[in-house]
Amino acid sequence: QVQLQESGPGLVKPSQTLSLTCNVSGGSISRGNYYWTWIRQSAGKGLEWIGRIHTGGSTNYNPSLGGRVTISSDSSKNQFSLKLTSVTAADTAVYYCARTLFNLAVDPWGQGTLVTVSS
Amino acid sequence: IQVTQSPSSLSASVGDRVTITCRAGQNLNNYLNWYQQKPGEAPKLLIYGASSLQGGVPSRFSGSGSATDFTLTINSVQPEDVATYYCQQTYSTPYTFGQGTKLEIK
Repeated sequence: QVQLQESGPGLVKPSQTLSLTCNVSGGSISRGNYYWTWIRQSAGKGLEWIGRIHTGGSTNYNPSLGGRVTISSDSSKNQFSLKLTSVTAADTAVYYCARTLFNLAVDPWGQGTLVTVSS
Repeated sequence: IQVTQSPSSLSASVGDRVTITCRAGQNLNNYLNWYQQKPGEAPKLLIYGASSLQGGVPSRFSGSGSATDFTLTINSVQPEDVATYYCQQTYSTPYTFGQGTKLEIK
């Protein structure tokens, strides 16, 4: 059974880069027809899809984030990562990593990690 | 694609039938999923493809609809169904979620 776990700093200063890693266990991120996905949830904007990386390496991002997002993967560590540059207080949220299935439903989700942007 | 959920909250008694609606700004070709999020937890997939029940989800949950109008129904609400429910369109990126419907028990 695939499980995902986010890790990274819980506090990031404005204008800096938010970096999170998702460790995947119970399955390989380099096998199968899956998208490894980042989603965030804030009180102000609800659930927001950030982007995804396919098993084959292609990526898609949410244009609303203005080109500040990069998602990458490391098959040797069975991890994928999120980088969000030039953060502001508006980027404060709980960040989830998740797997998107062939039917484009998201399952499972990691437990989520709160990232606060503040000086 | 904008998706609009209604109502934003509702209160039901144990055993009631509850209906939550999701309306999209364009035809989703049934690429519509439903999630349940309990307080302090990550969302959990309930329904995919508008009407397919995810494995392990109780059969009192069902999804219906097509094109732009979709419904999540909970038959015989149970106390453990207290949660916020979200729809999500996956017809085109960026995938978008509804604003959520908070279900409480009277």
